[in-house]
Amino acid sequence: KQEVTQIPAALSVPEGENLVLNCSFTDSAIYNLQWFRQDPGKGLTSLLLIQSSQREQTSGRLNASLDKSSGRSTLYIAASQPGDSATYLCAVSKSSASKIIFGSGTRLSIRP
Amino acid sequence: KAGVTQTPRYLIKTRGQQVTLSCSPISGHRSVSWYQQTPGQGLQFLFEYFSETQRNKGNFPGRFSGRQFSNSRSEMNVSTLELGDSALYLCASSEAGVSYEQYFGPGTRLTVT
Repeated sequence: KQEVTQIPAALSVPEGENLVLNCSFTDSAIYNLQWFRQDPGKGLTSLLLIQSSQREQTSGRLNASLDKSSGRSTLYIAASQPGDSATYLCAVSKSSASKIIFGSGTRLSIRP
Repeated sequence: KAGVTQTPRYLIKTRGQQVTLSCSPISGHRSVSWYQQTPGQGLQFLFEYFSETQRNKGNFPGRFSGRQFSNSRSEMNVSTLELGDSALYLCASSEAGVSYEQYFGPGTRLTVT
């Protein structure tokens, strides 16, 4: 059974810092991994999607990496801003038509 | 393109009642997925519909059901509500399934008293 873990559960850093969020999964046979952002009381916004054959994806100040063999993914945020404050979730799927399993998220707070 | 819409946004129901939630996907998207989010259990997959057929189902009791119409709009129904059903219910649409980029709606906040 696939389990997805995100550590730490919460993180607070001063504005301008570069930071890394971690995601680990127990079954390396994944189809892809996605990173999402959720603002309080709102829906999720897709940030990056990494296919199993890829090592990383970049979008602006965000970079996500994937190491299937070790069951890990990281989300790197460069030059953090207060507007980056949100909960970040990762999710994995086993095949193109399977269900998706989410981690519990990391609540990120950027201090001005 | 208009985003994913969910109605109603907020709902208060009493134990034992039933509730129907609605989700309108982005135009052209054929897959609609439903999720339950609670502080204790996090975000859990309920089910996915693709072209009016349920393609995947999470580990929820039969009280939770759904359907999808020919225009891809989807409804989720919960019968015999329990206090533990209080949650934020999110739907997401994508072109082809949960493994493709998903676009989430704002959610329906259900409170069961």
